[in-house]
Amino acid sequence: SQTIHQWPATLVQPVGSPLSLECTVEGTSNPNLYWYRQAAGRGLQLLFYSVGIGQISSEVPQNLSASRPQDRQFILSSKKLLLSDSGFYLCAWSKGQRYGYTFGSGTRLTVV
Amino acid sequence: QQPVQSPQAVILREGEDAVINCSSSKALYSVHWYRQKHGEAPVFLMILLKGGEQKGHEKISASFNEKKQQSSLYLTASQLSYSGTYFCGTVETSGSRLTFGEGTQLTVNP
Repeated sequence: SQTIHQWPATLVQPVGSPLSLECTVEGTSNPNLYWYRQAAGRGLQLLFYSVGIGQISSEVPQNLSASRPQDRQFILSSKKLLLSDSGFYLCAWSKGQRYGYTFGSGTRLTVV
Repeated sequence: QQPVQSPQAVILREGEDAVINCSSSKALYSVHWYRQKHGEAPVFLMILLKGGEQKGHEKISASFNEKKQQSSLYLTASQLSYSGTYFCGTVETSGSRLTFGEGTQLTVNP
């Protein structure tokens, strides 16, 4: 069966510090991968998605970036965090357009 | 284009029914439904594809009217475990990204 791992679960970082969140999927190959962010009490905002190694589409231009160095690994990064980057970050995968998304357990990021 | 969900919140007693609506101003390829418990990740419930299908998942079912660009989620004989925030997500026929609504908070009381 397929599983998705996301870490860390919580993170408190000072403004201006770098960020690296990692997500890996097991039990499938060539998944579509996604990074979403959720502000408290709000819906999910798509940040990046990838349909293959090295293929990244950015939905929201900001100080975040994403990379997919391996088929089942998706990384979200920032060189310098802003207060507005705080939120609940969720990685997800799907088999394709005709399938639902499976989310990782999320990372709650607080920038102080 | 973000879909619009209604109502924003609903409170039920155990055993009562509820309907959550999702609408878009764009032509849709698919509609997804997810449930999120407080502090947890969303969990996929079902996907409805272009073709106006209706799907069921235990006592939770949904319909998709592609002509009206609307979907509805039906919860019958609600249980305490149904409490949470329900999100619809839509994929437009012209795109591939899944865009979520703002959610409907459902509370089921004993």
